[in-house]
Amino acid sequence: GQQVKQSSPSLTVQEGGISILNCDYENDMFDYFAWYKKYPDNSPTLLISVRSNVDKREDGRLTVFLNKSGKHFSLHITASQPEDTAVYLCAAGNQGGSAKLIFGEGTKLTVSS
Amino acid sequence: ETAVFQTPNYHVTQVGNEVSFNCKQTLGHDTMYWYKQDSKKLLKIMFSYNNKQLIVNETVPRRFSPQSSDKAHLNLRIKSVEPEDSAVYLCASSDWGANYAEQFFGPGTRLTVL
Repeated sequence: GQQVKQSSPSLTVQEGGISILNCDYENDMFDYFAWYKKYPDNSPTLLISVRSNVDKREDGRLTVFLNKSGKHFSLHITASQPEDTAVYLCAAGNQGGSAKLIFGEGTKLTVSS
Repeated sequence: ETAVFQTPNYHVTQVGNEVSFNCKQTLGHDTMYWYKQDSKKLLKIMFSYNNKQLIVNETVPRRFSPQSSDKAHLNLRIKSVEPEDSAVYLCASSDWGANYAEQFFGPGTRLTVL
């Protein structure tokens, strides 16, 4: 089965609102969690990543929340803007185990003005 | 320019042919990856090399073989392609010690098997 899941294939948010993107994972050995942004016909680019020793990390308008007991992490984008419209991919992995990241299917975020 | 470069951008071929894709990174990273992006846009890891050593080899058909001459290059060869090999193949690299999860992707190679 899919080890990293994004249950919402799409999300629409009004400009200025908060976008909340969710990701669930199965492997409790994962210790790296990341969010990537992907425009159509472009490759993914890293937005923000956290290790399992923190519950939260902020970077400008972006905040990642990690809930290890619930095997869940989320990305919050405050003051959402039309240019935030893209596909957001969550990813998780275990550096001690192997080098691989497992990606979710992606959530298409649309910020409407 | 420091980045991850892939050639070719596109490749169309017939079933049964052999293809090779090239990937080079100029970021000074020590770990490189090949991903397959299927028709549903799901990214799946295929192989990973750290300093020319294979460290991840997912369950992929044996017709796929990675080749690494040095830590800046990781090529992918597919012998006798099948229709289900049609996909976008993405190469990526990262600095294993600093943050392996921060992976930098190339533009991808779109393979179409007729």
